[in-house]
Amino acid sequence: ETGVTQTPRHLVMGMTNKKSLKCEQHLGHNAMYWYKQSAKKPLELMFVYNFKEQTENNSVPSRFSPECPNSSHLFLHLHTLQPEDSALYLCASSQDLPRGNTDTQYFGPGTRLTVL
Amino acid sequence: AQSVTQLDSQVPVFEEAPVELRCNYSSSVSVYLFWYVQYPNQGLQLLLKYLSGSTLVKGINGFEAEFNKSQTSFHLRKPSVHISDTAEYFCAVSLSGGYNKLIFGAGTRLAVHP
Repeated sequence: ETGVTQTPRHLVMGMTNKKSLKCEQHLGHNAMYWYKQSAKKPLELMFVYNFKEQTENNSVPSRFSPECPNSSHLFLHLHTLQPEDSALYLCASSQDLPRGNTDTQYFGPGTRLTVL
Repeated sequence: AQSVTQLDSQVPVFEEAPVELRCNYSSSVSVYLFWYVQYPNQGLQLLLKYLSGSTLVKGINGFEAEFNKSQTSFHLRKPSVHISDTAEYFCAVSLSGGYNKLIFGAGTRLAVHP
């Protein structure tokens, strides 16, 4: 499989559940991102990882916990979510994150999350 | 801080008609500019980007955009649209000289009708 893949594509969970979203990139990139896409709102950057190290946490609540075990995989662990967390969660990757870099970010198809 | 405004949330147009999707940005420093497209049930795909040089940028699927620094705009155009162009279009900026952090507009839904 090529590009950026995300599983599951759809997820319904209760507020007390624990679940994880998975992202995998087959592009040999070193930087990976989590975005939240809510209806009628701009995409919100949540986390950025470069060479497995977190370089950005955009004031995301602690009920979202990212994990990047290697440059090809990125997880988003979910715990005690709220209904307003329902959204499309997009993963992206790019070659690298040096200053002045302009590498294209490649996006996965997203996980549609519904919190009941 | 940087921000992006997409002036139209929805743009209906008939097939084979021209279309322009508007994007304005705000930034006190130089930026790079991008247009992404999101087809139903898919992730975002890069249409085109402006980094430097010629202000007219050509992208995939017959789209082009023009960077206007004085008006802080980066409008997307296509001279003749197809049904298959129906999608959500996002304008984004990143800081030139900064790391690869994209700031997105809210999106414009392009609906092409037969």
